[in-house]
Amino acid sequence: EIVMTQSPATLSVSPGERATLSCRASQSVSSNLAWYQQKPGQAPRLLIYGASTRATGIPGRFSGSGSGTEFTLTISSLQSEDFAVYYCQQYNIWPWTFGQGTKVEIK
Amino acid sequence: QVQLVESGGGLVKPGGSLRLSCAASGFTFSDYFMTWIRQAPGKGLECISHISSSGSAIYYADSVKGRFTISRDNAKNSLYLQMNSLRAEDTAVYYCARGLYSSAWFLGYWGQGTLVTVSS
Repeated sequence: EIVMTQSPATLSVSPGERATLSCRASQSVSSNLAWYQQKPGQAPRLLIYGASTRATGIPGRFSGSGSGTEFTLTISSLQSEDFAVYYCQQYNIWPWTFGQGTKVEIK
Repeated sequence: QVQLVESGGGLVKPGGSLRLSCAASGFTFSDYFMTWIRQAPGKGLECISHISSSGSAIYYADSVKGRFTISRDNAKNSLYLQMNSLRAEDTAVYYCARGLYSSAWFLGYWGQGTLVTVSS
């Protein structure tokens, strides 16, 4: 199975600052990469698909980039509601696999 | 609006069985593949099973293959997960999810989850 590795595990950021999250695949997944946000006690929410396309209703401060094995999620100016855990997921080959998550916390 | 509501979770002893259900509404259920994902307490996400819109294609993660069975009833707009030979490591919140579009593999809609606890 494809192993997805996210870094860092925890990112401490001040509100208004930029956050950059990384995701690496153990083999190419083309652009079949999604990002999800999860808050405590809630189901994940789709943010980005196709590596760079924002899902409906997702603010423009969220952007995704990359292809192949290296991907990045950027939050340009963190708002209070953005502090959460973020997961990348490849849907190129079954079993679809997630990274272990990056927790974005308030600095 | 799209709604997915899981039910059937609870406390079960190791070796026991449980059947989860996911009731879908707000969309044409028979047009969409469906997926079960689980999340152990404090851990990450794991896709464990996936079924095509007609039910003709089914996939399992190795961790549940031979023990879990996914099925669907398009007439009842429902998805199921029959879980047998449960182990402590199956303890998790189980989510059902749907692709954002009928031809999409990324998971745009999720239920709220149902907790399964396997313990003696």
